[in-house]
Amino acid sequence: QSALTQPASVSGSLGQSITISCTGTSSDVGGYNYVSWYQQHPGKAPKLMIYEVSNRPSGVSNRFSGSKSGNTASLTISGLQAEDEADYYCSSYRSSGTLVFGGGTKLTVL
Amino acid sequence: EVQLLESGGGLVQPGGSLRLSCAASGFIFSSYAMSWVRQAPGKGLEWVSAISGSGGSIYYADSVKGRFTISRDNSKNTLYLQMNSLRTEDTAVYYCGKAKQGVIISFDIWGQGTMVTVSS
Repeated sequence: QSALTQPASVSGSLGQSITISCTGTSSDVGGYNYVSWYQQHPGKAPKLMIYEVSNRPSGVSNRFSGSKSGNTASLTISGLQAEDEADYYCSSYRSSGTLVFGGGTKLTVL
Repeated sequence: EVQLLESGGGLVQPGGSLRLSCAASGFIFSSYAMSWVRQAPGKGLEWVSAISGSGGSIYYADSVKGRFTISRDNSKNTLYLQMNSLRTEDTAVYYCGKAKQGVIISFDIWGQGTMVTVSS
C-alpha cells in the first residue's frame, strides 16, 4: 500500500503562510472527501487538525485550513507561530477499505 | 476527560506474539469505531487495523493481514491488538485512536502509544 506523497520539508517565517500538499490517486484523495491532517510534535501523539478535507475540530485554530483539488489535498497554515513547528501528516480513506497516510512533512518556522 | 491508555508493549523475538490493550474512558466506547496506528522509529504513521463500534466490521492493512487480530470488549471499554508471527519490521510505537466519524476516516483522540520492539 503506497503512501500519499507529501514534501519532506517546508519552512516559513513567523507570521507568514505556508501550504503543504498531499498527492494521491482517484482511489483515495480524489475519490473521497475523507482527507484528514494531523500535527505531531516530537515524542507526542498525533493531533487531528483537519477532517473531511476542510473541517476543523473544536479547539483548533482557524489559522489552519484545508482544501482539495483533484487528487491533491492541501493544508495551509497562516500567521505562522513558533509552536506550529512540527511534523504534519495527511491521510485518506482508500477504496480498498483501508486508510493511507502521507509520508509526513517537517515544518520549520524560521 | 476523554482518554485512551495503551499497554502491553515490550521486547519480543521474531516469530513471537504480543497482545496490546487500549483502555478508554470519558466517552461511550461502544458508540465509536477504533483503530491501531503505528510509527516505526524515525518514520511516518502507518494505519494498522480498525474495528467498528459493535465489532461487526473489521479492517486490516495488507502488511499485517493474517498475523494481527483486532478485537474489543465493550463491557470493559477496552480495545485489543493480538500480534502473532512478529517480524523486525513490526517494531514501532503503537497508538490506538478513536474514530471521529465512520470507521476508518479520521481519529480525534489518540493514546500516548506503547513501544513494541521485535529483535533477537
